[in-house]
Amino acid sequence: DAKTTQPTSMDCAEGRAANLPCNHSTISGNEYVYWYRQIHSQGPQYIIHGLKNNETNEMASLIITEDRKSSTLILPHATLRDTAVYYCIVRVGYGNKLVFGAGTILRVKS
Amino acid sequence: DAGVIQSPRHEVTEMGQEVTLRCKPISGHNSLFWYRQTMMRGLELLIYFNNNVPIDDSGMPEDRFSAKMPNASFSTLKIQPSEPRDSAVYFCASSLLSRGNEKLFFGSGTQLSVL
Repeated sequence: DAKTTQPTSMDCAEGRAANLPCNHSTISGNEYVYWYRQIHSQGPQYIIHGLKNNETNEMASLIITEDRKSSTLILPHATLRDTAVYYCIVRVGYGNKLVFGAGTILRVKS
Repeated sequence: DAGVIQSPRHEVTEMGQEVTLRCKPISGHNSLFWYRQTMMRGLELLIYFNNNVPIDDSGMPEDRFSAKMPNASFSTLKIQPSEPRDSAVYFCASSLLSRGNEKLFFGSGTQLSVL
């Protein structure tokens, strides 16, 4: 699986949008971009994933650049409960393993 | 759905003892993953199964670790004998195999302390 690079930590004001970047310059054409988060002492939680197109769901939006070498996870209105470690993972679809990196610690502050 | 169920939530044991961690995946899911998390090493994939068959166990640290999935609704991770360095949170996750649309659902984890 392609390697990803994320900032170690970020801060965001409550109510503002949180934009979490991820670089995956060696991504292959059949590799998906997945985002998970882990709130303290809980198991990781799926947020969103995409291949080429931008995606949006009830939790977040995923913006993938046209060359697919980077992506941004957007939490439109961050709350204190969004404080967590956010993991960006690239993975070949269908039955393959999900390998977690160090992730980004997002701190949402009031 | 109750989600992925792991037991026990907490396990404290002495070095040399056998430890068995249990996981019940979400009904209908056909992939199952075991992860271990420590402060030093983060989240590590130990082994995963597709349709009850082990696909990749390259993350299993050594022969003291073994995992089984006798049927689609149950899996175990066994450590024998346990050592203090095995202390960690062990997560089980399950998913439904689907081309390009696989979401892993994680259990609450088992906090293992080996004294």
